[in-house]
Amino acid sequence: DTAVSQTPKYLVTQMGNDKSIKCEQNLGHDTMYWYKQDSKKFLKIMFSYNNKELIINETVPNRFSPKSPDKAHLNLHINSLELGDSAVYFCASSQGLLNQPQHFGDGTRLSIL
Amino acid sequence: AQSVTQLGSHVSVSEGALVLLRCNYSSSVPPYLFWYVQYPNQGLQLLLKYTTGATLVKGINGFEAEFKKSETSFHLTKPSAHMSDAAEYFCAVSGPAAGNKLTFGGGTRVLVKP
Repeated sequence: DTAVSQTPKYLVTQMGNDKSIKCEQNLGHDTMYWYKQDSKKFLKIMFSYNNKELIINETVPNRFSPKSPDKAHLNLHINSLELGDSAVYFCASSQGLLNQPQHFGDGTRLSIL
Repeated sequence: AQSVTQLGSHVSVSEGALVLLRCNYSSSVPPYLFWYVQYPNQGLQLLLKYTTGATLVKGINGFEAEFKKSETSFHLTKPSAHMSDAAEYFCAVSGPAAGNKLTFGGGTRVLVKP
């Protein structure tokens, strides 16, 4: 059983399009995250939800909009895709914050043509 | 704000040799520290973590790390490298001073030579 699953695994699309990435966790965790990993492998948090409430909202263009319909799901919608959005996007989950380890999905590789 | 610095973006070791990956952090309060490993085309997997208590922490796959407050370091070691240890390794810090966020270092790629 996959603990944190993301779909799709690969996403190739053109500039200006709108796309969504879905994430689901079956670990019973109450906190979920979106990270962006650039081509140099640098990882940066984008958003975090705790019990469906947005608690971390980093300096991310407002073209990126997360949505958490319930504690087990966190989706990421991206409007008007730009070349710089090309990256690997990781979803993660944890039970609580601070000292609890995060469990990561396998990532969604987004390529903008 | 907290930050993490990993010294060396690439490390090459021979199979059977010691693996040493360096991590230094900056924090005004005791942090929570983590090491994660990322294999190609996969997500991150927790190797070990330090929160409180014993400063020498043992993790999976034979890895361990020691929290040294005086040196603000959390270096990762493994006595004998295996070919399967070839991966990207990330040190990370969280805690109130980091806004309860997990902040990652830049990563260290480990290459294991036969």
